[in-house]
Amino acid sequence: QSVLTQPPSASGTPGQRVTVSCSGGRSNIGSNAVNWYRQLPGTAPKLLIYSINRRPSGVPDRFSGSKSGTSASLAISGLQSEDEADYYCAAWDDSLNGVIFGGGTKVTVL
Amino acid sequence: QITLRESGPTSVQPTQTLTLTCSFSGFSLTRSGVGVGWIRQTPGKALEWLALIYWDDDKRYRPSLKTRLAITKDTSKNEVVLTMTNMDPVDTATYYCAHSFVGEILFDVWGQGTLVTVSS
Repeated sequence: QSVLTQPPSASGTPGQRVTVSCSGGRSNIGSNAVNWYRQLPGTAPKLLIYSINRRPSGVPDRFSGSKSGTSASLAISGLQSEDEADYYCAAWDDSLNGVIFGGGTKVTVL
Repeated sequence: QITLRESGPTSVQPTQTLTLTCSFSGFSLTRSGVGVGWIRQTPGKALEWLALIYWDDDKRYRPSLKTRLAITKDTSKNEVVLTMTNMDPVDTATYYCAHSFVGEILFDVWGQGTLVTVSS
């Protein structure tokens, strides 16, 4: 099964910039848009970034996305305590003919 | 405002069939481009896409589970139903339904999720 690879953890101090990477392949990130989700404990995932670097209404511009080839990244600038959560990337996979998710990255605010 | 809510049994026995209903409001599953998907999250936190159904009744399934899954829609009731046969303890997870739109947004609004435990 196709899968997107994320680091299990990332951390930073308040105000810092933290990046989360997401590595895939030609059939997913290389060909299609990447979505990023944030999940707070006990809640459903929430869409953070879509179409590489577009934010739904209400998502602060501290969150940004980028893509290069078969990899994507989520950047959180001005890290805040409420940013402590699990972050997942996702993309459509042309080989699977469906959606694949990354394994998730737990961001800790030190 | 788009909302979705999952309902169904909180526990099933191994080999039984699970039937989950997603009741939604704020959008129509007859509108071109609209879809509803099912995603589950295991206790270890991995997210796994299961199935998608679109406005035109196009259906997509996770290949590894395709023989066990069926997704249907009832546009008059604003409901999407997912059935999964031959349940196993490894299928214990929180099951979410979510609004989707063809193109660059995979799942933009999610239901709260429902925990299903498979145990004898």
